[in-house]
Amino acid sequence: SQTIHQWPATLVQPVGSPLSLECTVEGTSNPNLYWYRQAAGRGLQLLFYSVGIGQISSEVPQNLSASRPQDRQFILSSKKLLLSDSGFYLCAVREKGSYEQYFGPGTRLTVT
Amino acid sequence: GENVEQHPSTLSVQEGDSAVIKCTYSDSASNYFPWYKQELGKRPQLIIDIRSNVGEKKDQRIAVTLNKTAKHFSLHITETQPEDSAVYFCAASGYSTLTFGKGTMLLVSP
Repeated sequence: SQTIHQWPATLVQPVGSPLSLECTVEGTSNPNLYWYRQAAGRGLQLLFYSVGIGQISSEVPQNLSASRPQDRQFILSSKKLLLSDSGFYLCAVREKGSYEQYFGPGTRLTVT
Repeated sequence: GENVEQHPSTLSVQEGDSAVIKCTYSDSASNYFPWYKQELGKRPQLIIDIRSNVGEKKDQRIAVTLNKTAKHFSLHITETQPEDSAVYFCAASGYSTLTFGKGTMLLVSP
């Protein structure tokens, strides 16, 4: 089974600063990868997903971007953070040919 | 696109009671319906799922039922325990992505 790593676990950043969150996966090859955001007390909002290296689909227009430079690496970035970017950022993995989707441990981002 | 409605938003039960959470979906092409449990401050955990060719699935105290005709599915938890307290999310699967309901906060009182 796969293992999902996310870092950092917690981050406090000022408004207007850049952001880079990383997700890496072990134990699988060529998976589908997903970035979700969860605002405090709210549901799961899909931000981006990728079916392969360099292939990114955006679900919601925003000041965030995603990249997949390697098969098992997924990066979420922003050039200038907004207060509304605060939340719990979750990376998720689904193996090709499988239905099950699993979440990483998450990064809790607070924008001040 | 797919739209998933989940009810109730909050559910309070006494320990030992049963709990039922219901979801409806809009896209008849959806064929996979998972349920996730999220404890406070932690990641959502997949607890049970069902595919469109099955009407019911059980795993110990939890069960999921699916009515494809009516486009709704439900999570049933029997003999609830305090450790069942969490937020539960249903979801429906399209080609590559899951669409989630807004979640149900289940509170189990001892």
